[in-house]
Amino acid sequence: AQSVSQHNHHVILSEAASLELGCNYSYGGTVNLFWYVQYPGQHLQLLLKYFSGDPLVKGIKGFEAEFIKSKFSFNLRKPSVQWSDTAEYFCAVNTGGFKTIFGAGTRLFVKA
Amino acid sequence: DGGITQSPKYLFRKEGQNVTLSCEQNLNHDAMYWYRQDPGQGLRLIYYSQIVNDFQKGDIAEGYSVSREKKESFPLTVTSAQKNPTAFYLCASSRSKGESYGYTFGSGTRLTVV
Repeated sequence: AQSVSQHNHHVILSEAASLELGCNYSYGGTVNLFWYVQYPGQHLQLLLKYFSGDPLVKGIKGFEAEFIKSKFSFNLRKPSVQWSDTAEYFCAVNTGGFKTIFGAGTRLFVKA
Repeated sequence: DGGITQSPKYLFRKEGQNVTLSCEQNLNHDAMYWYRQDPGQGLRLIYYSQIVNDFQKGDIAEGYSVSREKKESFPLTVTSAQKNPTAFYLCASSRSKGESYGYTFGSGTRLTVV
């Protein structure tokens, strides 16, 4: 069965630290990849997406993610986090069609 | 502004009761979805609908029912057959299949069985 794994359930960083959240999926075919973010008290919103072309994609608020097909990975990165990045982050994979599979989420807490 | 409206925000249900969660969108999106979010488990798909009068079961459809009589509306009924209904429920919509566009989410309904 297709699945999405997020390596860390909780991450605590200090401001200005670099961030990398891992995401791996299990599916051998063409995929469309997403990162969503849920800030405290707010809607889930799309952070960035990949469906073709340059495997390094840039999203909002300085986030980027790299699709490495050989590793079935789509890790999220940010060079320098801010307190306002405290949120829960979800990786998601669509293999074509109407179903998108979400990872369990990673809660990020940034210390001011 | 266009978006998805879910109501109510909080809902309490007695055991054995059916309850209906509302989801309305004004984005003119074709597809709509219901997800359940539990701590540590991410989002799991309950039902989805590609077009009006059509819907498909997701991964955890047992104990739930839906309807899609209008493009804008996709209500979810949590029936008494659902063994563990306490959860956070999210409605989403997308243009076409959502594979390239991603989803727009509502603010969610937190259901508690008392």
